[in-house]
Amino acid sequence: QVQLVQSGAEVKKPGASVKVSCKASGYTFTVYRMHWVRQGPGQGLEWVGRINPNTGDTDYAQKFQGRVTLTRDTSISTAYMELTGLTSDDTAVYFCARDNLWGSDYWGQGTLVTVSS
Amino acid sequence: QSALTQPPSASGSPGQSVTISCTGTSSDVGGYNFVSWYQQHPGKAPKFMIYEVSKRPSGVPERFSGSKSGNTASLTVSGLQADDEADYYCGSYAGSNNWVFGGGTKLTVL
Repeated sequence: QVQLVQSGAEVKKPGASVKVSCKASGYTFTVYRMHWVRQGPGQGLEWVGRINPNTGDTDYAQKFQGRVTLTRDTSISTAYMELTGLTSDDTAVYFCARDNLWGSDYWGQGTLVTVSS
Repeated sequence: QSALTQPPSASGSPGQSVTISCTGTSSDVGGYNFVSWYQQHPGKAPKFMIYEVSKRPSGVPERFSGSKSGNTASLTVSGLQADDEADYYCGSYAGSNNWVFGGGTKLTVL
């Protein structure tokens, strides 16, 4: 069965960076692109970006351009999201989600990133 | 890219039907038949409920249906059940390899 398992919660200081991982299993990692989506406290979903694990090609929401980097390691079927220059506005749960059928059919459990001095 | 517009709340009694709207622009909802819907229970990850406006993934009950007219997509939940109480989000392809989501609608089963 398809599973996306993310890394654990993080607490960071303003200005720091965070890197979240998403390990895929149950399917061929390189066949499906991977989205990253975040959800602030009590807020809606916000698209961050997407990576093609086969080629490494990336697309980023304009809001995050220059601050976010999506990468992958195909040898361990894992996708990564790194966000730099953290502020309190970046406090959120970050999800990875498999791209399929012009939507996201499987989601990770989410990683809470808290930015606090 | 602005978020899609959803009503903050919706409600219905068990057995009734409720419809949730999702309004975008001709650059996203109106421009592509790539609207999806997600159900999210508190503290859980979103669940894929509808894709390509009106198609249901395997395992999603027929009580959930989607449609679109112009720049507005809709999700209808028929025969409301207690477990349908959750937040619902729409999402749409927005062109140029960008995606956008709605702000979410809290569905209450009375």
